[in-house]
Formats: sequence, C-alpha cells, structure tokens
Amino acid sequence: GNSVTQMEGPVTLSEEAFLTINCTYTATGYPSLFWYVQYPGEGLQLLLKATKADDKGSNKGFEATYRKETTSFHLEKGSVQVSDSAVYFCALSLRDSSYKLIFGSGTRLLVRP
Amino acid sequence: DAGVIQSPRHEVTEMGQEVTLRCKPISGHNSLFWYRQTMMRGLELLIYFNNNVPIDDSGMPEDRFSAKMPNASFSTLKIQPSEPRDSAVYFCASSLGISNTEAFFGQGTRLTVV
Repeated sequence: GNSVTQMEGPVTLSEEAFLTINCTYTATGYPSLFWYVQYPGEGLQLLLKATKADDKGSNKGFEATYRKETTSFHLEKGSVQVSDSAVYFCALSLRDSSYKLIFGSGTRLLVRP
Repeated sequence: DAGVIQSPRHEVTEMGQEVTLRCKPISGHNSLFWYRQTMMRGLELLIYFNNNVPIDDSGMPEDRFSAKMPNASFSTLKIQPSEPRDSAVYFCASSLGISNTEAFFGQGTRLTVV
C-alpha cells in the first residue's frame, strides 16, 4: 500500500544546531512529496514540496531532496531557531485521480535557546 | 482569499448529542478533505470530495459519522450521536485537485465530548 514513515520524536536541539528529520515512503506509482509544519494551536501549513526525482524543495532555510532510489525525502536545516519548534509532517500525493494526501505520523521538534 | 474557514473553533458537547462541523474551502478549489487529529492516531483522513462528490469515505470510523458537500463552497461533518472517544481536532483542507499542488488547511475545530 501507500504510506509514509517518519522518525519518531520528539527531537530536541539547541539553537543553531543542524536538523535532520528522516522520511521514507512507499507508493504505487510516482508521487509528489511534501513537508508540512504545524505550530501549536494551528492547522498544517505547507513548508516545501518536490514533484519529481532529484528535485529539491526549499523554504525558510529548510530543504528536502526527492530521492527515488532510496524512496526518501529527508528534511534538513543548517541552523535551527527557537521559532522552528513545531510538529513536522511528511506527506505524499499520488498521481492518480484521487489527489489525496497521505501523511506520516509527524515529528515534534523542540529547539532550546 | 481568506483561506479555508472552519467553524466553530471549539466545541464542547455532551455524549449523545449531535455535533456539526462546518467548512468553507478556498474558492476555485475542486477537492475537499476532512481529517481528524489525535495524540494516539495522529492525522487520519476521514473522507474527501472531488467536485462536491464523495470519492473515498473509507476513513470514516463509524456510521455515526457523515459528511456532505451540497455545493462547492460548503461542507459539513456530522457526528450523531457523539461519544467521548470522538474528542479530537478536526481539520478541513482544500486543494485544486491536481496531484502536484498542495492542500490548504483550516485552523481546525477542537471537539470535546464529555
């Protein structure tokens, strides 16, 4: 079936540390991949996306590269800030008629000053 | 556009009562999704619509749950009768209905059933 697997949280880092949140997927076909972020008390917001192999999505210092050979889409940031504390969701969208998003379980990031 | 609008933001109700959650998608979006978020299960897709037609409701947990989309600008999720285990945050999201484009989420309705 189609699924997304994320590393378990919480991930606790000091400010300015390097961040990696792992995401791997299983999909029939050739999906588009997304990272969403959820701040406390809010809905999910799109952080970045990639639609084909070797594409790199980037936004607000975050990056993720679509790796078809390893079916991965790991999220990275070189220097995290306290304001990056949130829950991060990896997701895929199938290129069929459904267009639905399939989400991972989410990874909570806590950045300490 | 104001984004996806959900109401109410918070709902507290007694077990056995009917609850109706409302959603206004972004104008021009063809797909609408209802999700439920809990600590135990994370983010679950309950049902989604394409062009106002329900496409997949396999995520709806029980017959107590129903969803409608009478027109392109409005959808409801109803729980009747409600139970304490339905307590969760319910999100509505909409998208253009093309696989390369993202879904936009509302701020959610926090439902508490006591």
